[in-house]
Amino acid sequence: EDQVTQSPEALRLQEGESSSLNCSYTVSGLRGLFWYRQDPGKGPEFLFTLYSAGEEKEKERLKATLTKKESFLHITAPKPEDSATYLCAVWYYGQNFVFGPGTRLSVLP
Amino acid sequence: DAGVIQSPRHEVTEMGQEVTLRCKPISGHNSLFWYRQTMMRGLELLIYFNNNVPIDDSGMPEDRFSAKMPNASFSTLKIQPSEPRDSAVYFCASSSSSGRDTDTQYFGPGTRLTVL
Repeated sequence: EDQVTQSPEALRLQEGESSSLNCSYTVSGLRGLFWYRQDPGKGPEFLFTLYSAGEEKEKERLKATLTKKESFLHITAPKPEDSATYLCAVWYYGQNFVFGPGTRLSVLP
Repeated sequence: DAGVIQSPRHEVTEMGQEVTLRCKPISGHNSLFWYRQTMMRGLELLIYFNNNVPIDDSGMPEDRFSAKMPNASFSTLKIQPSEPRDSAVYFCASSSSSGRDTDTQYFGPGTRLTVL
């Protein structure tokens, strides 16, 4: 069965402490992998789309990378405002988006 | 652009009542998605439309749920009769099949449904 998993489930960082979030997928026929950020009480906010292994995208303190079986969201020198739940979603041929369970990130000042 | 608009933002109803959630997608987008989010199950795709036509409704939990898209700028998700286990946040998202952000789904603010 096609699956999307994310790790860790929750992560607490000190401000400025860089780290990475992982999204692993077992789907076949990947069409795209999406990263979203979700703040409490709000809808997911789009961050990045990755389409092929080796691709990288950057935005401010965030950098997303993709391999054949997983994606990483690297957070460099995070700030408290980066605290949120980060969701990845896999889109594969013949199906639609499958969201992972998310990683809850807390950045402490 | 106003983004995806959903109404109501909050809905509290009693078991057995009919509930209708509404969504206005981003102008020019031709795909619309309904999701449900709970703590236990995360984000689940219920149904999606392409050019106003339902393409995949395999995520609709049961016959009590129905969705329509009468035109490109409006969609409804109806639950009749509602049950306490339907309590969740329902999101609508839209995307375009052309342009710079092809296939990126943009989400609305959600409707928090509580069924007593």
